[in-house]
Amino acid sequence: QKEVEQNSGPLSVPEGAIASLNCTYSDRGSQSFFWYRQYSGKSPELIMFIYSNGDKEDGRFTAQLNKASQYVSLLIRDSQPSDSATYLCVGAGGTSYGKLTFGQGTILTVHP
Amino acid sequence: SAVISQKPSRDICQRGTSLTIQCQVDSQVTMMFWYRQQPGQSLTLIATANQGSEATYESGFVIDKFPISRPNLTFSTLTVSNMSPEDSSIYLCSVEAMTSPLRNEQFFGPGTRLTVL
Repeated sequence: QKEVEQNSGPLSVPEGAIASLNCTYSDRGSQSFFWYRQYSGKSPELIMFIYSNGDKEDGRFTAQLNKASQYVSLLIRDSQPSDSATYLCVGAGGTSYGKLTFGQGTILTVHP
Repeated sequence: SAVISQKPSRDICQRGTSLTIQCQVDSQVTMMFWYRQQPGQSLTLIATANQGSEATYESGFVIDKFPISRPNLTFSTLTVSNMSPEDSSIYLCSVEAMTSPLRNEQFFGPGTRLTVL
């Protein structure tokens, strides 16, 4: 069983729509969660982090964490073609303190 | 955030040879990590490199194949030894951000794209 599992995708949305990316995790001790964006041929870059239950908003991005359900999500509002990338859901802490556990990634395509 | 550079950015190597990848950070960091990203896959942690101690390897990775050095708090190397085509991947180093320990945030270098023929 994967420790961090993302909805498989690929996900395709029209420009201006809301893109919804989801993942679940198995380690209840995980403390922090990150969403990294990776453009093709580039290294991952951090776009959001969350460690408290609820929502966290930053511009067009909203991260949601539900520790009871072991569920993390990222919403991208007003999606732009420049948002087209692979999004990696990442857990940290818990039984693998100091290490990051990566989901398999979801490829998002925003078409004009 | 930390500024991380890697050398080389890419290389094409013959099977049976070895390649050493360098990772340089612009500030002192405690923990450095080496990852592999195979084509179309997510990142897999190879090992954690701490200054002054042996690297800690993840399951499936061994020191003989991936020796790591960490001579100081700003530099590390990863060697891919006796390469085969299966080692063709992107190798990334990362450092833990000096922020709240709760966050465990990491910054990534630009990666080294390795092709083994």
